[in-house]
Amino acid sequence: EAGVTQFPSHSVIEKGQTVTLRCDPISGHDNLYWYRRVMGKEIKFLLHFVKESKQDESGMPNNRFLAERTGGTYSTLKVQPAELEDSGVYFCASSQGLMEYFGPGTRLTVL
Amino acid sequence: AQTVTQSQPEMSVQEAETVTLSCTYDTSESDYYLFWYKQPPSRQMILVIRQEAYKQQNATENRFSVNFQKAAKSFSLKISDSQLGDAAMYFCAYRKLGNTGKLIFGQGTTLQVKP
Repeated sequence: EAGVTQFPSHSVIEKGQTVTLRCDPISGHDNLYWYRRVMGKEIKFLLHFVKESKQDESGMPNNRFLAERTGGTYSTLKVQPAELEDSGVYFCASSQGLMEYFGPGTRLTVL
Repeated sequence: AQTVTQSQPEMSVQEAETVTLSCTYDTSESDYYLFWYKQPPSRQMILVIRQEAYKQQNATENRFSVNFQKAAKSFSLKISDSQLGDAAMYFCAYRKLGNTGKLIFGQGTTLQVKP
């Protein structure tokens, strides 16, 4: 069974540009989470989907971040326009029960 | 709001020896879950061990065990017979009771295992 996959693995963009991160959860997992870790700090929750609905988006930092999960399968997280402080590693996780399975993360660098 | 604190940014251990990673948390809930996750250099985070707060018995998974002190809000991870493959960043995490919901992570502890 394939695990959680994320694309791209790395992205380097300039301030003001747009970046879209993608997460493919484990097939059949209704719950999908986005987290991010800014350099040297703790991993912070961004939002939680149940199927295609946003269950909890309390961690989204501002309206430059837009997450979607059309059809309840893969999810995208778009940052527009990117700022320097958006640099970090963005993790996706999926679950169908108590245990969450994490993807390898996307390392985003905003110059 | 719930918080999780890992006060050891880095730890090292000699291969085959035992190391303990510390974690404290704060919550007003009486029932919840606590987790230790491991993130090796390849970056994919995996679950090491889970503890349900309503269980008094400390969780154990092979060489990994926890010391859960509910009153002190402490949740340390003990790794026995350390192996080179244990080298990774370890995150302590908290979740409210239930099958879904966000994890609240600590800052992480980087564990170095010396041959």
